[in-house]
Amino acid sequence: AQSVTQPDIHITVSEGASLELRCNYSYGATPYLFWYVQSPGQGLQLLLKYFSGDTLVQGIKGFEAEFKRSQSSFNLRKPSVHWSDAAEYFCAVGAGSEGGGNKLTFGTGTQLKVEL
Amino acid sequence: GAVVSQHPSRVICKSGTSVKIECRSLDFQATTMFWYRQFPKQSLMLMATSNEGSKATYEQGVEKDKFLINHASLTLSTLTVTSAHPEDSSFYICSAPGPGGTDTQYFGPGTRLTVL
Repeated sequence: AQSVTQPDIHITVSEGASLELRCNYSYGATPYLFWYVQSPGQGLQLLLKYFSGDTLVQGIKGFEAEFKRSQSSFNLRKPSVHWSDAAEYFCAVGAGSEGGGNKLTFGTGTQLKVEL
Repeated sequence: GAVVSQHPSRVICKSGTSVKIECRSLDFQATTMFWYRQFPKQSLMLMATSNEGSKATYEQGVEKDKFLINHASLTLSTLTVTSAHPEDSSFYICSAPGPGGTDTQYFGPGTRLTVL
């Protein structure tokens, strides 16, 4: 069975500082990997996804993530954090037979706080 | 982009009553939708897969008689929590694969259920 681990429950960074959110996954085959952001009162918004190809993927809002098969990781990064980035971030792996984006397994999330 | 709505956004009910939550794909059709449950400070857990024209598929440990799912049309899935109890209080989120494939899920804003 697939699983996702987000080791950091909470992270606090200063506005303008760089950010890296960690995500490790467990899955037997090539995974479909996603990063979502959840803000209070809003649905999960897709930041970026990796299916195949270039292991460094670019997403919205200046985020990027790098797939490292040898480390089973898919860490999310941003060079300069903005106060509006404060939210809950979820890493997810999809492995449904009907399509890689189905039957998502989520990590426990990382709550990002941005200090002004 | 693909938009998924949920109604109501929050509901409070008395113990023993039933509550219906609607999930709609607003600008695309979805033969499959997914229902998740999220406890405070925890991750999303997949409850069931809603299939248009056939029975829902429930994840292990989810009571199908308690969480009734009906995929009434290509744009509507409903989750009915029957005989609700305080332990059913949670945040319920639905998702649907975006148009053109199942690679990416689009999430509704969620429904906060509080059972008194």
